[in-house]
Amino acid sequence: QSVLTQPPSASGIPGQRVTISCSGSSANIGSNTVNWYQQLPGTAPKLLIYGDSQRPSGVPDRFSGSKSGTSASLAISGLQSGDEADYYCAAWDDNLDGHWVFGGGTKLAVL
Amino acid sequence: QVQLQESGPGLVKSSETLSLTCSVSGGSINFFYWSWIRQSPGKGLEWIGFISYSGVTNYSPSLRSRATMSLHTSKKQFSLKLTSVTAADTAMYYCTRGGSGHDSFDFWGQGSLVTVSS
Repeated sequence: QSVLTQPPSASGIPGQRVTISCSGSSANIGSNTVNWYQQLPGTAPKLLIYGDSQRPSGVPDRFSGSKSGTSASLAISGLQSGDEADYYCAAWDDNLDGHWVFGGGTKLAVL
Repeated sequence: QVQLQESGPGLVKSSETLSLTCSVSGGSINFFYWSWIRQSPGKGLEWIGFISYSGVTNYSPSLRSRATMSLHTSKKQFSLKLTSVTAADTAMYYCTRGGSGHDSFDFWGQGSLVTVSS
């Protein structure tokens, strides 16, 4: 059971906009920023969004992040087949001397 | 471009100690935090711990009693030791840059698969 809750799966057709949610608590998302990671099949995760809504250099602006209270969302617009991957949210949790927590991951299928 | 590369045995016997090293190239090891993250087969990501540029460490509550991280600045390496391993520790182990509560894991190694055998 992950501390951050994500839907296990999501899907969309090319060109569509999809969103992935990440729910936490006041100890993590509610008081710290959220990062999102994309893991393409057979590869290491890659930083996609940091600081709730910032994109690292090289990440297309089709990817966007937002946060409200103890929940965060990742939106992908103009869906492409290459976006098929696992997506994870992460945040620092202030409990137990502080530690990182991840969502369980959402597998995105492009139909 | 910062690059990270994990190295270590791919097979560890149950009850023994898992040891991994991460080599950093293309950037400084100073002034950053460095973390280990693992992923069991078919499962999600689990943060193991971080070590800061000054040697401060913090570990996941569930692994705190078994994990130890060290920093070897002159070699531009940091390492992980995990004692008393069981089959549940079988996973892909990633070294990453980042880990303080205010940043992100911005660079990742390709991962090192460690299997615990009985």
